[in-house]
Amino acid sequence: SQQGEEDPQALSIQEGENATMNCSYKTSINNLQWYRQNSGRGLVHLILIRSNEREKHSGRLRVTLDTSKKSSSLLITASRAADTASYFCATAVSYSGAGSYQLTFGKGTKLSVIP
Amino acid sequence: ETGVTQTPRHLVMGMTNKKSLKCEQHLGHNAMYWYKQSAKKPLELMFVYNFKEQTENNSVPSRFSPECPNSSHLFLHLHTLQPEDSALYLCASSLRGASEKLFFGSGTQLSVL
Repeated sequence: SQQGEEDPQALSIQEGENATMNCSYKTSINNLQWYRQNSGRGLVHLILIRSNEREKHSGRLRVTLDTSKKSSSLLITASRAADTASYFCATAVSYSGAGSYQLTFGKGTKLSVIP
Repeated sequence: ETGVTQTPRHLVMGMTNKKSLKCEQHLGHNAMYWYKQSAKKPLELMFVYNFKEQTENNSVPSRFSPECPNSSHLFLHLHTLQPEDSALYLCASSLRGASEKLFFGSGTQLSVL
């Protein structure tokens, strides 16, 4: 079964508005990461939030993590047309002994920012 | 630029062809990954290498064969592929392991005819 699932699958907003994307997961995690992908290109890392952290900021990005609800959200404030991309959450989960992790991605949220 | 370079960017091959995808990183990382991205599916982890040793093979068919000659280079050898193997193949690297942030290449868009 899929570890991380983003919601909504697609989001369309006007430039200047805020965009919020959510991620839910099933098992305990070491950390949760958000990535961005422009069409047909590789993923770019945005933010990593550890399981003992609740909130992180990076420029116009704000990520929250609620381990009791097994969910995270990514907020992009004052969106720009250049923010148009797909956004993925990825969960790092420990397996088969200490120090071994697997990073599992969701299907992503496709964000369109209309100028 | 992420420091991870993939070639070629696009590849069209017939089902009987043999081709190779190449990935190179100049970040001093010790872990390298191959992912497959198909439309409307989550990224699928294919192979993981740590310090040149393969540590994961996620039930990938034998028509995909990885090679990691050193910590900076990773190859994916392809032979007798199927049309359903058409996808974006992404290489990534991280300093030590999968609990850290990954740096991705731009990918190879593969079409199997």
